[in-house]
Amino acid sequence: DSGVTQTPKHLITATGQRVTLRCSPRSGDLSVYWYQQSLDQGLQFLIQYYNGEERAKGNILERFSAQQFPDLHSELNLSSLELGDSALYFCASSVLGGVLETQYFGPGTRLLVL
Amino acid sequence: KNQVEQSPQSLIILEGKNCTLQCNYTVSPFSNLRWYKQDTGRGPVSLTIMTFSENTKSNGRYTATLDADTKQSSLHITASQLSDSASYICVVSGGGSYIPTFGRGTSLIVHP
Repeated sequence: DSGVTQTPKHLITATGQRVTLRCSPRSGDLSVYWYQQSLDQGLQFLIQYYNGEERAKGNILERFSAQQFPDLHSELNLSSLELGDSALYFCASSVLGGVLETQYFGPGTRLLVL
Repeated sequence: KNQVEQSPQSLIILEGKNCTLQCNYTVSPFSNLRWYKQDTGRGPVSLTIMTFSENTKSNGRYTATLDADTKQSSLHITASQLSDSASYICVVSGGGSYIPTFGRGTSLIVHP
């Protein structure tokens, strides 16, 4: 158990819908990362937050948005869902968000878009 | 374009044997290289993180090497165990901020 929690574990929805994935980092960690893992693309980095501020942005679509709240939990919002958005979404956390820090991954949210 | 290529794509070995996984990258400028272990359906777990100045780093039975000149890394697993069955992912980051490029992973199966 990494100490990172993600809810829900599974999510089934329809195309065009909007969903929110939630992540609670390890106690004391200030930085949160979001990743997408699909069969055809592998793991991809989406976005990083540090203490509520966006720090780095990867291959995140405009239909996706994220934020980190004052209590340090983070949410990833996916809208206008398409079949290709079906994937495992991981959240990870680290203490200060430094480029050499170990990241601890949560168990993931499995999203299925029908 | 930044790329990370891993080989082999899959590998089957007998319990107790050693194996070596390869990672070649074209990420530039280079900042660090990470190896992760990912069990099926679970989040990746960090094995090693290496910078430009490091050429070897160990974590128990896992030893990673880095040759920044040839842009190659390897992950050596010693005395494999059934629990080593997993996907091993190489991740390379470049520049001053965290923008990683992921390899597609090597799927390792350890048979008794």
